[in-house]
Amino acid sequence: DIQMTQSPSSLSASVGDRVTITCRASQSIGSSLNWYQQKPGKAPNLLIYAASTLQSGVPSRFSGSASGADFSLSISSLQPEDLATYYCQQSYFTPLTFGQGTKVEIK
Amino acid sequence: QVQLVESGGGVVQPGRSLRLSCAASGFTLSSHGMHWVRQAPGKGLEWVAVITYDGSNKYYADFVKGRFTISRDNSKNTLFLQMNSLRSDDTAVYYCAKDNSGSYSYFDYWGQGALVTVSS
Repeated sequence: DIQMTQSPSSLSASVGDRVTITCRASQSIGSSLNWYQQKPGKAPNLLIYAASTLQSGVPSRFSGSASGADFSLSISSLQPEDLATYYCQQSYFTPLTFGQGTKVEIK
Repeated sequence: QVQLVESGGGVVQPGRSLRLSCAASGFTLSSHGMHWVRQAPGKGLEWVAVITYDGSNKYYADFVKGRFTISRDNSKNTLFLQMNSLRSDDTAVYYCAKDNSGSYSYFDYWGQGALVTVSS
């Protein structure tokens, strides 16, 4: 199985800060990496697919990048509504696997 | 608009069975693969199973293989998850999710989730 190692597990930042979450795959997955946001008590919501493509309707402060087996999700200017847990997910091979999640809190 | 609505969750004793349904609307179900993803209380997301657009292929996570069965009825726009031999560690919110079924696979729509509690 492909393991997805996500870091950090949690972070606290101020409104307006730039925030970066990273995800490392245990083997090559090309660009088959997606990012989801899950707000408390809600279903997950797709943010980024294919490593760097912004899903329609998602604010442009969210972006994704890739370098080999390392992937990043960035929020350019953190907003209060970004309070959530963020998950990466590989779709290269079944079983599909998620990172363990990063909980983002607002200072 | 796309809607996915799960039903069938509840409290069940260990070893018993439960069937979840996911009613789809706002898109052509028969054109898309569909998934089940679960989330235990306070834990992360865990992929459970996928079924191809026509039901010809199904893949499962090892922890449900032989116990759970994913199926679909495209004529009724419904996805199912038959869960047998339930265990306490199957307690979770179960989400159905639509696969975009393009060059890259991703879950572009999710249901609101159905809570399954396995407890005596």
